[in-house]
Amino acid sequence: AQRVTQPEKLLSVFKGAPVELKCNYSYSGSPELFWYVQYSRQRLQLLLRHISRESIKGFTADLNKGETSFHLKKPFAQEEDSAMYYCALSPNAGGTSYGKLTFGQGTILTVHP
Amino acid sequence: DGGITQSPKYLFRKEGQNVTLSCEQNLNHDAMYWYRQDPGQGLRLIYYSQIVNDFQKGDIAEGYSVSREKKESFPLTVTSAQKNPTAFYLCASSKTRGSEQFFGPGTRLTVL
Repeated sequence: AQRVTQPEKLLSVFKGAPVELKCNYSYSGSPELFWYVQYSRQRLQLLLRHISRESIKGFTADLNKGETSFHLKKPFAQEEDSAMYYCALSPNAGGTSYGKLTFGQGTILTVHP
Repeated sequence: DGGITQSPKYLFRKEGQNVTLSCEQNLNHDAMYWYRQDPGQGLRLIYYSQIVNDFQKGDIAEGYSVSREKKESFPLTVTSAQKNPTAFYLCASSKTRGSEQFFGPGTRLTVL
């Protein structure tokens, strides 16, 4: 069974400080990993996925298969980054469960001025 | 934000009654999903549908039912068998399974 763990329920940093939101997963195959974000009064939306290897809004995330982690990082946090962040996993393509997302519990990031 | 609509925004029902939550999308997406969001538990998948007239159980399907008679619609019925139905329900869709999921605004169901 697949599982996603976000160990920090709350994370607070000051503007301009580096931020790292942790995500660990368990899955027997090669998963696809995602970060979704929900800003205040907005819908949940995709921030980035590991296969695209993009940097979105200054955020990056590297899939570390050895440590089974997909931590989200940003070198200089901004106040507008304050939001709820969810890490999610999908089984790899080709399987019957491809596209079926398992979400972590979420981390509320607060960036103070 | 258009594309996926959920109605109503708030819903109150008495215990023992079935209730149906609406989810409609005009994105021409093949796949649709229902999630339940509870504080501290993230999102949990209830049901998903990869194509019209087909759907599969997610991780917490007990006490719920769905139908997918039209591509744009994926209603969720919360039955009286669901032991703890009070929650926030999110609907999502994706162009194909595995592609980016787009979420609706959610429906908050309160069972009294």
